Amino acid sequence: EDQVTQSPEALRLQEGESSSLNCSYTVSGLRGLFWYRQDPGKGPEFLFTLYSAGEEKEKERLKATLTKKESFLHITAPKPEDSATYLCAAFYQTGANNLFFGTGTRLTVIP
Amino acid sequence: ETGVTQSPTHLIKTRGQQVTLRCSSQSGHNTVSWYQQALGQGPQFIFQYYREEENGRGNFPPRFSGLQFPNYSSELNVNALELDDSALYLCASSLTGTRGGYTFGSGTRLTVV
Repeated sequence: EDQVTQSPEALRLQEGESSSLNCSYTVSGLRGLFWYRQDPGKGPEFLFTLYSAGEEKEKERLKATLTKKESFLHITAPKPEDSATYLCAAFYQTGANNLFFGTGTRLTVIP
Repeated sequence: ETGVTQSPTHLIKTRGQQVTLRCSSQSGHNTVSWYQQALGQGPQFIFQYYREEENGRGNFPPRFSGLQFPNYSSELNVNALELDDSALYLCASSLTGTRGGYTFGSGTRLTVV
């Protein structure tokens, strides 16, 4: 069965302490990998789409990278407002059920 | 350009009742997908609608049903509510033929007591 696994489940960082979140997938026919940010009680907010191994995308303090079997979300010098759950989702080409989510990494940035 | 809007934002129902959740898709999007997100979990695919027809379904029982209207808005209906149906229900719209590009609404928080 296709799976998307995120680690760690939870991460506490001091403000300014950089780190990386991991998303590994075993999805055949992958067409893209999405990163979303989700605040409590809200819907996922789109961050990045990555389509091919070696691709990188950046937005403010966040940088997403993709390899053949995993993706990383690097957070540089985080601020308290970066606290949220970060979800990755693998998009594959066949069928309507084509977006598989991981369980997320809950990030807390302490001032 | 308007985003995806869902209503209501919160709902409390009694076990055995029926509920209807509503979603207006983003302008220009013709496909609507519904997801269930339990606390601490990632969203799970319920079903997808395209051109007013169900286009695919996840591992949910038939008491979960839906509709899509000509303006691409959609409804999710759940009959015979169970306690485990308590979750955040998310609607996402997209444009068929594009690689992903899902836009999510803020969700409806359903509590079954």
